[in-house]
Amino acid sequence: AQSVSQHNHHVILSEAASLELGCNYSYGGTVNLFWYVQYPGQHLQLLLKYFSGDPLVKGIKGFEAEFIKSKFSFNLRKPSVQWSDTAEYFCAVNTADTGRRALTFGSGTRLQVQP
Amino acid sequence: SQTIHQWPATLVQPVGSPLSLECTVEGTSNPNLYWYRQAAGRGLQLLFYSVGIGQISSEVPQNLSASRPQDRQFILSSKKLLLSDSGFYLCAWKRGPEVNEQFFGPGTRLTVL
Repeated sequence: AQSVSQHNHHVILSEAASLELGCNYSYGGTVNLFWYVQYPGQHLQLLLKYFSGDPLVKGIKGFEAEFIKSKFSFNLRKPSVQWSDTAEYFCAVNTADTGRRALTFGSGTRLQVQP
Repeated sequence: SQTIHQWPATLVQPVGSPLSLECTVEGTSNPNLYWYRQAAGRGLQLLFYSVGIGQISSEVPQNLSASRPQDRQFILSSKKLLLSDSGFYLCAWKRGPEVNEQFFGPGTRLTVL
């Protein structure tokens, strides 16, 4: 079965600092990759996704992620964070060849941006 | 547009009491439906999924059960709650088998005392 690892559990940054959150998955077949974000008091919502094509994916609010197949990684980046980026970020994987098509989530990274 | 509702938003129940959490989706038909539990520091764990009315698949052995009595209704239940059932329960949906993006509801925070 697939698994997802997010190595940073809690990250504290100052505004304008650059962000990189790590995500590694374990599965040898075809994968679809996602980053979800949960702002305080809000629904879990999709930040960006990778299905195929260009491994550098751009999402909402200036976020991007790069799929590196050889490293089984899908790290999330943002060049300059804002206070409003304070949230919990979840990496998720779906293996395209499983019937249930559910997502396997990492344990999440809590990002705190200080003004 | 599609929307997903969950209720109640918050629930406090004694150990041994029954549970019923409801999830409904509007604006789509024949969605795949999912129940996840989010525990602090442990991400989201898939509990159940359903690809159609009356079709439920369980991911992990547990004290909970799920039912799908209507196309856009998904219910999470328990006959007797345990302390370990406390957590944040999220319902999600997606369009059919070929689309992989899931949309999440607002969640229900369950505290078992």
